[in-house]
Amino acid sequence: KQEVTQIPAALSVPEGENLVLNCSFTDSAIYNLQWFRQDPGKGLTSLLLIQSSQREQTSGRLNASLDKSSGRSTLYIAASQPGDSATYLCAVRPGSGGSNYKLTFGKGTLLTVNP
Amino acid sequence: NAGVTQTPKFRVLKTGQSMTLLCAQDMNHEYMYWYRQDPGMGLRLIHYSVGEGTTAKGEVPDGYNVSRLKKQNFLLGLESAAPSQTSVYFCASTRHQTGGRTEAFFGQGTRLTVV
Repeated sequence: KQEVTQIPAALSVPEGENLVLNCSFTDSAIYNLQWFRQDPGKGLTSLLLIQSSQREQTSGRLNASLDKSSGRSTLYIAASQPGDSATYLCAVRPGSGGSNYKLTFGKGTLLTVNP
Repeated sequence: NAGVTQTPKFRVLKTGQSMTLLCAQDMNHEYMYWYRQDPGMGLRLIHYSVGEGTTAKGEVPDGYNVSRLKKQNFLLGLESAAPSQTSVYFCASTRHQTGGRTEAFFGQGTRLTVV
């Protein structure tokens, strides 16, 4: 059974700092990995999707990397801003059989960026 | 673009009452999902559908039923609500694409309280 772990559970940084959020998964046979952002009381917004054949994806100040063999992904946020404060979730989609449409989520990292 | 829309956004039920949560997507996606999100538990899959007229159980299906009579709609029903079903419910949809590009889109959530 795929398990997804996100460390740390919470992170507080001063504005302007570069930071890294971690995601690890137990089964390396994944189809893709997706990073989401969730603001309090809101839904999930997709940030980046990394296909199993890719090593990284970039969008603005965000860069996500994927190392399937070690079961790890990182989300790098450059020059953090107070508006980046949110919970960040990673989710993996399995790569085998008929179940590759089901996502398994980590429990998220609560990020607070202080002005 | 509306994307994934959930109705209602908030609801309070008494134990034993029934209700239906509606999810509608306008992206012509084949796959739709219902998740619940609870503190400390993360997002857990309740039921999912891979196409019109088909549904399947996820991780935590007990106490819920679903229907997918139209491709764009996915309904989640609670026949006899229990306090343990107090949660935030999220609907999601995906279009299956080759090459690992399948991306999930989420609704804004329904906050349900059962008293």
